[in-house]
Amino acid sequence: AQSVSQHNHHVILSEAASLELGCNYSYGGTVNLFWYVQYPGQHLQLLLKYFSGDPLVKGIKGFEAEFIKSKFSFNLRKPSVQWSDTAEYFCAVNARGDDKIIFGKGTRLHILP
Amino acid sequence: NAGVTQTPKFRVLKTGQSMTLLCAQDMNHEYMYWYRQDPGMGLRLIHYSVGEGTTAKGEVPDGYNVSRLKKQNFLLGLESAAPSQTSVYFCASSYTRGVYEQYFGPGTRLTVT
Repeated sequence: AQSVSQHNHHVILSEAASLELGCNYSYGGTVNLFWYVQYPGQHLQLLLKYFSGDPLVKGIKGFEAEFIKSKFSFNLRKPSVQWSDTAEYFCAVNARGDDKIIFGKGTRLHILP
Repeated sequence: NAGVTQTPKFRVLKTGQSMTLLCAQDMNHEYMYWYRQDPGMGLRLIHYSVGEGTTAKGEVPDGYNVSRLKKQNFLLGLESAAPSQTSVYFCASSYTRGVYEQYFGPGTRLTVT
C-alpha cells in the first residue's frame, strides 16, 4: 500500500522568502501525485498535480513541484511567498489503477508580514 | 453549480447517539469520498464509493457506515458516537479515479461529548 510522508509539520517564513515543502511517497509502481491547499476556514483545493510528462509541474498562484522518481519525491516550491500563502498544504499520492488517494499529514505554513 | 455541499456544518453529539452526515454533489461525479481531518493526522479516508449503489472501506472505517443510493448523494452514518469520532469530516467527489481532481465540501465539525 502506498504512503506519503511530509517532512515539515510547521513552517514559518517571512514574506518574499523562498519556499520548499518536502514530500516523499512509498510505492513501487506508477503514481499520480498531488498537492492540495487548505486556506484558513476553507475547504481543500487542488494546487497542482503530476501524472506524466515533464516532471516539473506548475500550479496556481505561482507554485510548482518537481517529481523526482529516483527519490520518490514530489517537493513543492515557490520562489517568493506572500502573506496570503498562509495555509495548510497536503501532498497526496494515487497508485495507478487504485481508486483511492492517500494524503500526507500536512504542513502548516505561516507567513509573517 | 454548488459543487459539493455538506449538511450539517456543525453538530454536537452525546456518546452513544447516532447521526447521519449528508454530502451532495451536482457535478455528476462517479466517485465520492468521506475523510476525517484531525490535527497532525492529515486527511484519512473513511469510506468511498465508485458509483451509485457501491461503497468500499478506506483507512479508518470502523464505527462508520455509508450509503450511496443516489449518484449525487453520499451519506455517512455514525451508529453509536464515541469521543474518538470528534473530528472535522470532509466529503469529496471526483469524475473518476486517478489523475482527476477531488472537489471538497466545506466540512462538518462534529464534537462528541
